Amino acid sequence: AQSVTQLDSQVPVFEEAPVELRCNYSSSVSVYLFWYVQYPNQGLQLLLKYLSGSTLVESINGFEAEFNKSQTSFHLRKPSVHISDTAEYFCAVGGYQKVTFGTGTKLQVIP
Amino acid sequence: DGGITQSPKYLFRKEGQNVTLSCEQNLNHDAMYWYRQDPGQGLRLIYYSQIVNDFQKGDIAEGYSVSREKKESFPLTVTSAQKNPTAFYLCASSMAGVGVNTEAFFGQGTRLTVV
Repeated sequence: AQSVTQLDSQVPVFEEAPVELRCNYSSSVSVYLFWYVQYPNQGLQLLLKYLSGSTLVESINGFEAEFNKSQTSFHLRKPSVHISDTAEYFCAVGGYQKVTFGTGTKLQVIP
Repeated sequence: DGGITQSPKYLFRKEGQNVTLSCEQNLNHDAMYWYRQDPGQGLRLIYYSQIVNDFQKGDIAEGYSVSREKKESFPLTVTSAQKNPTAFYLCASSMAGVGVNTEAFFGQGTRLTVV
């Protein structure tokens, strides 16, 4: 069985401030972790992923996430957010033949 | 361009009618998925298919049916047995595998409203 918990449903943050979106997972098989972003009325797009190797993974637009096995976490961070980062973010875990998603965190960047 | 196409983008139906949502992909992916998205509940898996002519129930399959006659196509039928069908439906595809370690590609979604 696998599950994902995103504790924060909404996170407001001022522009240029840092942000952390939290994600905790449970899985009984090898862990593959993903962050996806969704803009209004659109599908999801992959932001970054952890499959193996370095526990710190980065995206092309400044986000990073760190896989922490002992804390079963995969938190998403950005040191300075932009208005265009306003969206909903989903953490996901890949397991046997399917991917399980969290309930999502809405990031609201305030100008 | 390769991708996943869902149609229509918006769909209105009367209560008690069956409705079929289309999903087509040209990414040559073996695996395809249907998710339902409701506010505050994230994405819930309805059905998935790892190969043509085979599919598995997800977490909320009741009231839905699918077929996988072609690799490119994975239509979802929302039947009258689905008690609360109004939602945003997302189709996705990925490379198949025992452990899902590849990204899923999503369509733009279909917003179904039942009145």
